[in-house]
Formats: sequence, structure tokens, C-alpha cells
Amino acid sequence: AQRVTQPEKLLSVFKGAPVELKCNYSYSGSPELFWYVQYSRQRLQLLLRHISRESIKGFTADLNKGETSFHLKKPFAQEEDSAMYYCALSQGGSEKLVFGKGTKLTVNP
Amino acid sequence: GAVVSQHPSWVICKSGTSVKIECRSLDFQATTMFWYRQFPKQSLMLMATSNEGSKATYEQGVEKDKFLINHASLTLSTLTVTSAHPEDSSFYICSAEEGAGTGELFFGEGSRLTVL
Repeated sequence: AQRVTQPEKLLSVFKGAPVELKCNYSYSGSPELFWYVQYSRQRLQLLLRHISRESIKGFTADLNKGETSFHLKKPFAQEEDSAMYYCALSQGGSEKLVFGKGTKLTVNP
Repeated sequence: GAVVSQHPSWVICKSGTSVKIECRSLDFQATTMFWYRQFPKQSLMLMATSNEGSKATYEQGVEKDKFLINHASLTLSTLTVTSAHPEDSSFYICSAEEGAGTGELFFGEGSRLTVL
């Protein structure tokens, strides 16, 4: 069965510090991985997806099939990065998403 | 980017009544929309896939007679919680894909249902 695990419910860092939000998945096929972000009082929105290999707002995420991980990283966190982050997985070619429980990131001044 | 709108944002109803939640794609057509449910402090859980012009596809464990989904047009899907009970209280979110095969989903603001 597909499963997405985000081991940290809460993550707090200081402005300018590196940040890494962990995501591990279990899926037997070829998954497509995403990171979604929800800022305070806003709707969920796509941050990045592994197939695009883009860096959005300074965030990057590399799919590691050996470790079945898709950790989200940013070298220098900003206060405006404070939000709820969800890792999600879909079967290749399908739009059905399985979400992790989310990690609340707080970037302190 | 594309906009998906949900209505109402929040609703309170009495036990035993039915509640309808609408999900609209405002500036694009969506042949497929998805309905999620989020329990407090838990992840989003896919409930069903709403297909325009055909029956919805429900995930395992989701009662289709309880959660009626209608996707009558390319811009509107509705979720009706029938005979609601307190345990149905939750946050319901819809999403839609702009352009078949793009893989990018746009989410509604969510609807919080409280059943008294």
C-alpha cells in the first residue's frame, strides 16, 4: 500500500539557518512525489514536484529511490517560509494523491 | 494560476440533516475533481474521484451512500453529506486538475463541517 511518512509534526529553526523537512514513502511502483505548502489562512498549493527538478522559493527536493525519501531542503530559511508542509505521492500517471500528515515549520526571527 | 473555489467555507448543521458542499473551477474546465477529508491533526485523506458525466470513484472505506458526489458540469462538483452525524464533522477539501495530464492540482479553500 502507498504510504507517506513525515516524521516531524513540528520543526522550528531560526532565520538564516538551513532547514530540512523529511519525507519517506512506501510504494512498489514508480511514484511521483510532491511537496505542497499551506501558508496561514491560505489554501493548499503546490510547492514543487520531483519530475520538474525546479527550485521554488529556494526549496529543493531530491527523490532518493534507494532510501525511498523525498526530503525538502532550503539552505537559508526565511520567516515567510513558516507554514504547513505536506509531502504527497501519486502513482505515475494518476492524479490521486496520498498525503503525509504534514510538518509545521516555524522560522523564528 | 487556476482558481478552485469551495462553498460554504464553514457550515454548522443538526444531526440527521444533509449538507451540500460545492467545488467550482473558476477559470478552467475540470473533467476530474477530487474530494479530501482532513481530521484534526491528521493528513488529508482522499475520499473520492469525481468524474464529469459519470459516477464518482470512491476510495476503500468511504460510504458512497453517505457522501454523494455529483459532477454535473466541467466546472462544478458537489459533495453532499447525507444524514450527517457528529462523527462526520471534519474539514473537506476539493481539488481539480487544470488540463488533463498536467499533474498539477489546484485546491479549494476547504469547508469545515460541524455537526451538532
